[in-house]
Amino acid sequence: GENVEQHPSTLSVQEGDSAVIKCTYSDSASNYFPWYKQELGKRPQLIIDIRSNVGEKKDQRIAVTLNKTAKHFSLHITETQPEDSAVYFCAASWGNYGQNFVFGPGTRLSVLP
Amino acid sequence: DVKVTQSSRYLVKRTGEKVFLECVQDMDHENMFWYRQDPGLGLRLIYFSYDVKMKEKGDIPEGYSVSREKKERFSLILESASTNQTSMYLCASSLTGVSGSKTQYFGPGTRLLVL
Repeated sequence: GENVEQHPSTLSVQEGDSAVIKCTYSDSASNYFPWYKQELGKRPQLIIDIRSNVGEKKDQRIAVTLNKTAKHFSLHITETQPEDSAVYFCAASWGNYGQNFVFGPGTRLSVLP
Repeated sequence: DVKVTQSSRYLVKRTGEKVFLECVQDMDHENMFWYRQDPGLGLRLIYFSYDVKMKEKGDIPEGYSVSREKKERFSLILESASTNQTSMYLCASSLTGVSGSKTQYFGPGTRLLVL
């Protein structure tokens, strides 16, 4: 079955710097790759996603890139702010019915003022 | 705006008790999921349901069962709670994906402590 690895497990950056989190997946049938942000004590919330027919997607300070050949996708956060501090989860999904999801183990991002 | 609610934010139960966790969504989503979240292990799928009365085992179904009698409601049942089931339980829902969106929307979570 699908396996999603995520690195690093923890990441500390200075405010204003960029942060990059990388995920790799194993099943070439995966076609949807969301990223979720979970602030302390809150529910995971979708921040950006990308489908397999797209190589890059950007939303303000957040971008996701996908390399299907290498089976990896990355989250890029620019100009980090303290409110970006959270745990970030990547996921890979295959099939057309939204039922097949595997999440990565998460990355704890700390943005230091 | 999608709303997913869970019946309790915190629960304390004793070993051997039967525990019910309930999840309700108001967006007519076909898919509903139960995850368990433990530090360093991410979100692990316990069960999911793609329609009323339909269910599929996830990665860690042992010790759990589920019920979906109505489309908006998905219940997780711990038949006989054990201390290793102490965890955060998250419910999620999504459309089938045929419409184009497979985004999962999560509930606030239930933190369960089994003594």
